[in-house]
Amino acid sequence: GAVVSQHPSRVICKSGTSVKIECRSLDFQATTMFWYRQFPKQSLMLMATSNEGSKATYEQGVEKDKFLINHASLTLSTLTVTSAHPEDSSFYICSARLGAPSGYTFGSGTRLTVV
Amino acid sequence: SQQGEEDPQALSIQEGENATMNCSYKTSINNLQWYRQNSGRGLVHLILIRSNEREKHSGRLRVTLDTSKKSSSLLITASRAADTASYFCATVVFYLSGGYNKLIFGAGTRLAVHP
Repeated sequence: GAVVSQHPSRVICKSGTSVKIECRSLDFQATTMFWYRQFPKQSLMLMATSNEGSKATYEQGVEKDKFLINHASLTLSTLTVTSAHPEDSSFYICSARLGAPSGYTFGSGTRLTVV
Repeated sequence: SQQGEEDPQALSIQEGENATMNCSYKTSINNLQWYRQNSGRGLVHLILIRSNEREKHSGRLRVTLDTSKKSSSLLITASRAADTASYFCATVVFYLSGGYNKLIFGAGTRLAVHP
């Protein structure tokens, strides 16, 4: 089946540094990918939609200069958390849409801890 | 943004019992999807029900949809300890400006099945 590979699975970084998270579609082309953030025991909140070859679309309240998204190819989207702070510590998950009835496929997530 | 609420927020049952989770949503939908998330992991698509369907089965899963009440339920029969996970409903919202669909999640139900 269609697989989205997300790396790294865990990352610890120092406050003020930047972290890049990669999301690759392994056996299909994803013109659109979605980035979610999930705090403990909460639901997934859509942060932004990544479109191949164009600018990402950010949800209300998400800082586009802080969460940089690049979708340079049909198989790779990246999320860079710039100048990370402890409050950015969260679980970040990417997703790509498949045709019905499969719905959407998700990466395995990245646990970001900012110390 | 979240589409709606799910109840209960947490459910604890014994193996062999049935588990029922409910989801409400706010906007008109083409379909509603249910996903499962093991702790700290990505999401797995369970089942999709279209707006013109009222009930759908897949193995031990039974999903109902009531579009007049904007609600859905997920029933897991004869639960097993391995069913312990969080379960989320999600609906597709069309983003008019971008011309694509976004998947928006409900709050989720944390299910614990005890041996």
